[in-house]
Amino acid sequence: GAVVSQHPSRVICKSGTSVKIECRSLDFQATTMFWYRQFPKQSLMLMATSNEGSKATYEQGVEKDKFLINHASLTLSTLTVTSAHPEDSSFYICSARKTVTSGQPQHFGDGTRLSIL
Amino acid sequence: GNSVTQMEGPVTLSEEAFLTINCTYTATGYPSLFWYVQYPGEGLQLLLKATKADDKGSNKGFEATYRKETTSFHLEKGSVQVSDSAVYFCALRSGGGADGLTFGKGTHLIIQP
Repeated sequence: GAVVSQHPSRVICKSGTSVKIECRSLDFQATTMFWYRQFPKQSLMLMATSNEGSKATYEQGVEKDKFLINHASLTLSTLTVTSAHPEDSSFYICSARKTVTSGQPQHFGDGTRLSIL
Repeated sequence: GNSVTQMEGPVTLSEEAFLTINCTYTATGYPSLFWYVQYPGEGLQLLLKATKADDKGSNKGFEATYRKETTSFHLEKGSVQVSDSAVYFCALRSGGGADGLTFGKGTHLIIQP
């Protein structure tokens, strides 16, 4: 089945550090990948849509300079949290959808727990 | 905009009980509807989906029917097991498939032996 790998699974770092999270589709090509954020006991909120070879589309209220997204290939998208602060601590989840045809479900990575001290 | 409302949890049931988790939605056009499950310590997994009105999605004994007239996609299972304990998310994607998913807040299901 379709597998999405997200790395790292957990990051603990100091305030001011930039953190990169990778999302890979292991056995399929994904023109589009999505980045979500989940606060404790809350739903997943879509942050941005990552499009291979073009700029990401950010949801309202998400700072594009804060959350840099690069989708350089059909199997890899990265999210970089720049100059992270404690309020950026959260659970970040990526998903990917197979390129061909509409109606395909999204396949999710296992998420990255980011803790900023 | 799109929104998904699902019943608050936690929902606690005994093994072999009947399960219903309500989900209603607001969306423009004709969305696709999904149920995802998140087992403890794991990522989200697609449980079932329906892409048009009156479709019934089913998997692992769970079912949900896309009801356009009531804008609902309630999740049901006839006899739950302890292993069904997890958080269940109802979600939609706008018609056309280009958008990310809009999720409900999730319902924590606890099945007791």
